Amino acid sequence: GQNIDQPTEMTATEGAIVQINCTYQTSGFNGLFWYQQHAGEAPTFLSYNVLDGLEEKGRFSSFLSRSKGYSYLLLKELQMKDSASYLCAPADSNYQLIWGAGTKLIIKP
Amino acid sequence: IAGITQAPTSQILAAGRRMTLRCTQDMRHNAMYWYRQDLGLGLRLIHYSNTAGTTGKGEVPDGYSVSRANTDDFPLTLASAVPSQTSVYFCASSRGGGAAVYNEQFFGPGTRLTVL
Repeated sequence: GQNIDQPTEMTATEGAIVQINCTYQTSGFNGLFWYQQHAGEAPTFLSYNVLDGLEEKGRFSSFLSRSKGYSYLLLKELQMKDSASYLCAPADSNYQLIWGAGTKLIIKP
Repeated sequence: IAGITQAPTSQILAAGRRMTLRCTQDMRHNAMYWYRQDLGLGLRLIHYSNTAGTTGKGEVPDGYSVSRANTDDFPLTLASAVPSQTSVYFCASSRGGGAAVYNEQFFGPGTRLTVL
């Protein structure tokens, strides 16, 4: 079957760095997406990986290891506005995104 | 219209009533999706459409139907609503096609539905 595993909740301090891990099992693989979702809002796209390695985008970076079925999202210089849920979503052989339940990130001052 | 819109924003519905949630996109995306999101369960796919004129069942299709008469619109119908269909419903679209990057999904603002 298809499965996504992320921590349910994480807490970090403003200005710090946090890494959100995601392991996945899918039928086929066509890239992995990370989305951010603030409470009461729709998910918005953060990053995309299709090849192994690190993709950097400002304060946010995402890493992929296809052989390990593993990805992480790295958030640097945390700001209070980064308090949100972070959703890991690999695309399967049919190009359908398989969604994890998400990691709720709480930022403390 | 800019992007993807949904209507209504929220709705309270009596059990047994019929309800259609509307979704329209102006990005000329091929693929469209309907998800429901319940606390602690993440996004679950209800139905999808890879191109106008075709639809497919997702993970939780029972009690829901969709149509895709044209590229822009993808309405979701609850034929006879039940309380377990209380949820937040998101419509999404993607360019679709063979390149993996085209699977980035763009989401509408959501419809909060309560069935009593």
